[in-house]
Amino acid sequence: EVQLVESGGGLVQPGGSLRLSCAASGFTSSDHYMDWVRQAPGKGLEWVGRTRDKSKSYTTEYAASVKGRFTISRDDSKNSLFLQMNSLKTEDTAIYYCARTYTSSRSDYWGQGTLVTVSS
Amino acid sequence: DIQLTQSPSFLSASVGDRVTITCRASQGISSYLAWYQQKPGKAPNLLIYVASTLQSGVPSRFSGSGSGTEFTLTISSLQPEDFATYYCQQLHSYPLTFGGGTEVEIK
Repeated sequence: EVQLVESGGGLVQPGGSLRLSCAASGFTSSDHYMDWVRQAPGKGLEWVGRTRDKSKSYTTEYAASVKGRFTISRDDSKNSLFLQMNSLKTEDTAIYYCARTYTSSRSDYWGQGTLVTVSS
Repeated sequence: DIQLTQSPSFLSASVGDRVTITCRASQGISSYLAWYQQKPGKAPNLLIYVASTLQSGVPSRFSGSGSGTEFTLTISSLQPEDFATYYCQQLHSYPLTFGGGTEVEIK
């Protein structure tokens, strides 16, 4: 069974950093594109970024709102995905989801999300 | 960036109604569009991809159509478990974008 489990969310002050994890099971994450998507409280979905699969050297893409502050990485030995978030702003407050993705097609499995709150 | 405009943003309907949600793209995206359903406190759930392909396990009352800039999601006979918020997403070009959502409520 395919499962994605995010962790690492919490309360952080503006300007701070946080690292989210997404543990994959039931499939080999290195064979898939993986996306991060967030949802601010009471708002819609916002795509954050993507890492391509191993055959594409895990290259990445980011939304303009996070480019230069957020970094997506992987650890194949742990079948896991990470989102390093630096210079956090109050507007980064959201539930963060990781999702297994097929390029140009769909995100077919999503984790349950982890809440990040940026506040002083 | 490609903007996706969903309409309506809110819809009140009864069980058994036929419901149609529209998603318009600010430029052509071929058929690179997906539809998701989200219930409160839950992650999005994939319904339709490449505009009209039904995801495995999704009931056949859901269907999608369109290409280019105009797309529709249709629920042929609304069921109690279908009351949720629906989002379209374009996967044609970066940055990927979502529509603003359509909340479907019980009348």
